[in-house]
Amino acid sequence: AQSVTQLGSHVSVSEGALVLLRCNYSSSVPPYLFWYVQYPNQGLQLLLKYTSAATLVKGINGFEAEFKKSETSFHLTKPSAHMSDAAEYFCAVSDRDTGRRALTFGSGTRLQVQP
Amino acid sequence: SQTIHQWPATLVQPVGSPLSLECTVEGTSNPNLYWYRQAAGRGLQLLFYSVGIGQISSEVPQNLSASRPQDRQFILSSKKLLLSDSGFYLCAWRKTGGGLGYTFGSGTRLTVV
Repeated sequence: AQSVTQLGSHVSVSEGALVLLRCNYSSSVPPYLFWYVQYPNQGLQLLLKYTSAATLVKGINGFEAEFKKSETSFHLTKPSAHMSDAAEYFCAVSDRDTGRRALTFGSGTRLQVQP
Repeated sequence: SQTIHQWPATLVQPVGSPLSLECTVEGTSNPNLYWYRQAAGRGLQLLFYSVGIGQISSEVPQNLSASRPQDRQFILSSKKLLLSDSGFYLCAWRKTGGGLGYTFGSGTRLTVV
């Protein structure tokens, strides 16, 4: 079974500082990996996804993530935080069952950006 | 373009009352459909998925049920709500055979009192 662990349920950074949100996965086969962002009382918006191509994936809003197989990690980064980045972030892994293809989510990391 | 609608946005229901949440997709046919729940302070848990009309797979034992009466309609129901059913419910769709592009609805905040 697949699983995702997000280290740190809350992360606080200053505006302009580096954002680093951690995600480790467990999967018996090469996974598909995702990062989603959720603003209060809204659905999830895809930031980026890894699908076995380039290990460094660039997403929207200046975010990027690097797939490291040796570390089973897919950490999300952004060089300079903006106030509008304050939200909850979810890492997810997709199984390869071609019918189901459901997402397994981590427990989420709430990002606070201090002025 | 494809869109997904979910309603209502918020709902407060007493314990023991019935529930019906609706999700519809536009602009595509034969999508894979999903219901997720996000309990307070927790991640999202897959409740049901459907690969076609009348085809429902349940992921966890629970007080809820799902139905797909039409190709682009996915309904989440309960006959008698429990306090533990409170949470944020998200519907999502993915194009069948179309890779990994999931689209989520805006969610329903359910509070059982």
